[in-house]
Formats: sequence, C-alpha cells, structure tokens
Amino acid sequence: TQLLEQSPQFLSIQEGENLTVYCNSSSVFSSLQWYRQEPGEGPVLLVTVVTGGEVKKLKRLTFQFGDARKDSSLHITAAQPGDTGLYLCAGEGVSGGSNYKLTFGKGTLLTVNP
Amino acid sequence: SAVISQKPSRDICQRGTSLTIQCQVDSQVTMMFWYRQQPGQSLTLIATANQGSEATYESGFVIDKFPISRPNLTFSTLTVSNMSPEDSSIYLCSVSRLAGGRTYEQYFGPGTRLTVT
Repeated sequence: TQLLEQSPQFLSIQEGENLTVYCNSSSVFSSLQWYRQEPGEGPVLLVTVVTGGEVKKLKRLTFQFGDARKDSSLHITAAQPGDTGLYLCAGEGVSGGSNYKLTFGKGTLLTVNP
Repeated sequence: SAVISQKPSRDICQRGTSLTIQCQVDSQVTMMFWYRQQPGQSLTLIATANQGSEATYESGFVIDKFPISRPNLTFSTLTVSNMSPEDSSIYLCSVSRLAGGRTYEQYFGPGTRLTVT
C-alpha cells in the first residue's frame, strides 16, 4: 500500500490551462515537500509546507497543506511549456518514523503543450 | 541548499560486472541518501549513509548487492554489484539539511543512468 497517494499520475494539457495535483495520505506528516524533476536531472525542491492549513505561493504555483497535515495540493495557474516535468510530493516525519526520511508519492508526469 | 555532483552521469555495463557511483557535496553534511528511480517514476530509497557508521538499508536492499562507503562528510559511493538487466535504473544521491529548525529538506544530485546489457 502506497503511503502517499498522488493523483493524477499523468496529465497532458494545453498552454494557459490551470491544473491541480493532489497528494493524499491517511498518515500525519511533520512536513510535505514538493519537487519538480526534468528529464536527465535530479528532483529540485520547490517548497516545503509545515503548518496545517498553510498556503505558499511560488509565482504561478500555489501549494497547500491540509489542516490535519495528511494531504497537500499543488495548483498551477496558466500553465506554460516550461512547467513540463515530473512533480513529486514527499512527506517527512511520518507518524512514528524518522524525521529525516522522506516518503515519496508516485509522481505526476505533467506535459504542457504549446 | 547544496550543490551535488555525481559520477558517472551514465554508463552501459555488462551483466555480472560492478559499477561504483560517486557522490560529492560542496559542503559537509551528516546524512546522505541513495535512491533508485525508473524513468518517469518515483524514487525508492536504497539506504541512508552516515559518516562513521554502517549504512542503513531499506527493506529489499542488502549490503552485499549495494555496498556503500562514506569516508567523510562530503563524499559517498554506491556500488551496484554483480549487475543484471533488472538493475538498469537511475541512481540518485541526496543530502538532508535542517531548514528553519523544524524540518529536514533533501537536495538531489543529477543522477547516474545505468543500463545493464
């Protein structure tokens, strides 16, 4: 059973559209991190959310941490081809687990077509 | 953040041979991690490597197959031993940093793409 359920797994949209990626769990995390990975590169940290209900914005990207710290979402407004990549959510410090370990979701492969 | 380099960036190896992947960080870190990733898929943690102690392996990974060295606070190696085509994957190293005094954030190297024929 996957600890972090990420959806959708694949997403292909046109430039200018909006989209939301979800990351859900039945477990509580100390924090949730979002990464973007482009082909041939390692994942790059986008944001870390720590407090339940927290909202963080990074240009056209909005990240939200659920009140109970079990789920998170990433919303992209007016997507651009440069947003194309694999988006990964990762939970840190799952209940009873080591704080330094990350639990990764399966990822969302986003393609933004011009 | 941290700047992490890996060598080699890619390699094609024959089955039965071994490959050692190097990971260099631009500053001292306590915790380093090794992951495996199939292209387009998520990351699977192989082991945690702390300087001065044996690496801690995740379920399904053993030291004989994936020996790890951690000679100092800026360097680590992962060896993929007695390779088979099933070992074809991307191998990533990462480091963990405490951020804001509350949470650990990880930073990744560019990865090593391994193909076993």
